[in-house]
Amino acid sequence: EAGVVQSPRYKIIEKKQPVAFWCNPISGHNTLYWYLQNLGQGPELLIRYENEEAVDDSQLPKDRFSAERLKGVDSTLKIQPAELGDSAVYLCASSSQGSYGYTFGSGTRLTVV
Amino acid sequence: AQKVTQAQTEISVVEKEDVTLDCVYETRDTTYYLFWYKQPPSGELVFLIRRNSFDEQNEISGRYSWNFQKSTSSFNFTITASQVVDSAVYFCALSERGSNYKLTFGKGTLLTVNP
Repeated sequence: EAGVVQSPRYKIIEKKQPVAFWCNPISGHNTLYWYLQNLGQGPELLIRYENEEAVDDSQLPKDRFSAERLKGVDSTLKIQPAELGDSAVYLCASSSQGSYGYTFGSGTRLTVV
Repeated sequence: AQKVTQAQTEISVVEKEDVTLDCVYETRDTTYYLFWYKQPPSGELVFLIRRNSFDEQNEISGRYSWNFQKSTSSFNFTITASQVVDSAVYFCALSERGSNYKLTFGKGTLLTVNP
């Protein structure tokens, strides 16, 4: 079984540019999460989807961040415009039930210069 | 509100030593899950264990063991006979029913095992 797939693995952009990250969860997992991991910190939840519905986006900075999960499968996370402080690792995870069974992808390491 | 504290920021040991990583959690919920994840330099988060709040039995898996004590709100992780390949950042995490099982991580402990 393929794991959670994220792309790109690394991304370097100039500040004020847009950037998008893509996540393909494990087949059959209806719950999808985007986490932000700053250097030296634990991951923090940005948004959680149940199928195509965003059920918890309270931590998502909506002025510049947006996410979508069309058809309840793949998801994209976008930042526009990017700021220097957005440099971090963006992790995607999926689960078949909300209480356990999280599987994380390898993450996208974003560097904003 | 749920909270996870990993007081040890960095630990350095010599190969074959035993090492214990501490985790203290806070929750008002009676139904919750505790997790440990390993994050090697490659960056992915590797699931190690999940424990629910109703199961306080300690668990052993090879060189790994976990001690769950509700009385002290702790979920400590011990690696016996550490190896260089154990070098990684280890995260303790908590999810509680009252927060729709949102996963909250501690800040992690960087373990370095020297040959």
